[in-house]
Amino acid sequence: AQKITQTQPGMFVQEKEAVTLDCTYDTSDQSYGLFWYKQPSSGEMIFLIYQGSYDEQNATEGRYSLNFQKARKSANLVISASQLGDSAMYFCAMREGLSGNNRLAFGKGNQVVVIP
Amino acid sequence: DTGVSQDPRHKITKRGQNVTFRCDPISEHNRLYWYRQTLGQGPEFLTYFQNEAQLEKSRLLSDRFSAERPKGSFSTLEIQRTEQGDSAMYLCASSSTGSGNTIYFGEGSWLTVV
Repeated sequence: AQKITQTQPGMFVQEKEAVTLDCTYDTSDQSYGLFWYKQPSSGEMIFLIYQGSYDEQNATEGRYSLNFQKARKSANLVISASQLGDSAMYFCAMREGLSGNNRLAFGKGNQVVVIP
Repeated sequence: DTGVSQDPRHKITKRGQNVTFRCDPISEHNRLYWYRQTLGQGPEFLTYFQNEAQLEKSRLLSDRFSAERPKGSFSTLEIQRTEQGDSAMYLCASSSTGSGNTIYFGEGSWLTVV
């Protein structure tokens, strides 16, 4: 069963606008972590933001924020004030269970193209 | 730069040949991971080391694949008798101990089997 679902088609975003990338997850664990990574065409997976399942506040990192809705099992990424360099694939990932489990399950990604 | 580094970045090989990829993790990280990513997909977990011990292997890691981390620092991933289906990007990542610790990825090694 797919643990991470990212179903949005490729998105075009106007520079300086905000964009929301959807991510839903499936787990029966109470303890888990959610990550967002950016992958430009060069291939590197760049860490953006992390949300722990017990964190009560939504995570924020600069222009990135995570809209965490635990009951709905969603962890949407919001990128504010889009820049041309934000054009990339964005992957949502989940780490389940306790700290001994470091396996990340990734979604299929969201393609974002920022246009001037 | 002290991030995760991988070598080579690109490799083209003929079917049946062996290839080896190297990963140097962030120096203070004791955990190291290998993932594989094919076109249009997210990365898939292959294996995980804590220090020099290989603690977990995915079913994706067939007997043609072997990973080592002999001194708990750098790691190698070898693929023997390559097949066209092995064509993918092989990503290495590292982290320190702890459930909240971020996993940092390298730039990946692209493999094309012809």
